[in-house]
Amino acid sequence: KQEVTQIPAALSVPEGENLVLNCSFTDSAIYNLQWFRQDPGKGLTSLLLIQSSQREQTSGRLNASLDKSSGRSTLYIAASQPGDSATYLCAPRGGGSEKLVFGKGTKLTVNP
Amino acid sequence: DGGITQSPKYLFRKEGQNVTLSCEQNLNHDAMYWYRQDPGQGLRLIYYSQIVNDFQKGDIAEGYSVSREKKESFPLTVTSAQKNPTAFYLCASRGGGIPGELFFGEGSRLTVL
Repeated sequence: KQEVTQIPAALSVPEGENLVLNCSFTDSAIYNLQWFRQDPGKGLTSLLLIQSSQREQTSGRLNASLDKSSGRSTLYIAASQPGDSATYLCAPRGGGSEKLVFGKGTKLTVNP
Repeated sequence: DGGITQSPKYLFRKEGQNVTLSCEQNLNHDAMYWYRQDPGQGLRLIYYSQIVNDFQKGDIAEGYSVSREKKESFPLTVTSAQKNPTAFYLCASRGGGIPGELFFGEGSRLTVL
């Protein structure tokens, strides 16, 4: 059974800092991995999706990497802004499975 | 705009009542999902459907029911058999093929009084 861990559970940084969010998963036989952002009381917004054959994906100030063999993914946020404050979740999708398994998320606070 | 619409956003229910949460998508996606989110826990899959007139139980299907009569619609009924129904419910959909990205609605918050 896939288990997903996100460390740290919460992170508070000053504006402008570069930061890394970590995601680890126990079953490396994944099809892809998706990173989401969730604002309080809202649904999830897709940020990046990495296919199992890829090493990284970039979108603006966000860069996600995937090391499938070690069961790890990282989300790098450059030059953080207060508007980046949210909970970030990762979700690997198992090969041949319809199920994404979600981590509990990292709650990020960027202070002005 | 294309997207997923969930309604109602907030819902209050008395114990013993069934309630139905609506989920509509205009993304032409085949697969649709219902997740439940509780404080301090990750999202848990309730039901999913890969095609019209077919659906599968997820990890916590007890006390819930769904239907998939149209490609665009995947309503979730929270029955009186669900012991702890107060939660935030999220509907999602996914297109076929690569990359298979999952998209979510804005959620429905159900409170049992």
